Amino acid sequence: DVKVTQSSRYLVKRTGEKVFLECVQDMDHENMFWYRQDPGLGLRLIYFSYDVKMKEKGDIPEGYSVSREKKERFSLILESASTNQTSMYLCASSFAPLSGGYRTDTQYFGPGTRLTVL
Amino acid sequence: QQQVKQSPQSLIVQKGGISIINCAYENTAFDYFPWYQQFPGKGPALLIAIRPDVSEKKEGRFTISFNKSAKQFSLHIMDSQPGDSATYFCAASKNDYKLSFGAGTTVTVRA
Repeated sequence: DVKVTQSSRYLVKRTGEKVFLECVQDMDHENMFWYRQDPGLGLRLIYFSYDVKMKEKGDIPEGYSVSREKKERFSLILESASTNQTSMYLCASSFAPLSGGYRTDTQYFGPGTRLTVL
Repeated sequence: QQQVKQSPQSLIVQKGGISIINCAYENTAFDYFPWYQQFPGKGPALLIAIRPDVSEKKEGRFTISFNKSAKQFSLHIMDSQPGDSATYFCAASKNDYKLSFGAGTTVTVRA
């Protein structure tokens, strides 16, 4: 079974703090993703990485950065947390190697981190 | 701006009934259409997916219907059960790793 784990289920931070959300997958997947989930808006892609050290912006990258130094680990960084970043953050991974025919494959999600910024 | 529009936002169905969720898209480059199911406290999980070379795909009680000319696809849950109560997301992709998700539909199945 693919397992995607996220470092915290719940997190409370203050405005202006630097926040790190960690995600680890154990299936040697090539691709990893960070989404935020808000009621009525579905899942919106923040950043993704299709190879170690390669990253691309998603639909809502403003205020976020990412780091992927090892294949199994993908970190989301909020440089200076703001109240409008209060949300559920979901990490996902997929196989779909760069050399393959299909680049979009099943995404396996972690349980999410509920972040509250006060 | 959401690239995939999903409706309804929520629905309630009696046990044994049929649940129908609809999605529409504009980008004709989309070529992969999955549905994800999410239970409270869990991350979404792939339920069923279709590529546009077929008009229908069935897996157990779950069926995707795809209408390429109308740029619409739908999920039908037959013989709905209380265990199907969850939030369902449609999504679409144009083979660039990324998924564009709909806003989600909360399905409640009453026993």
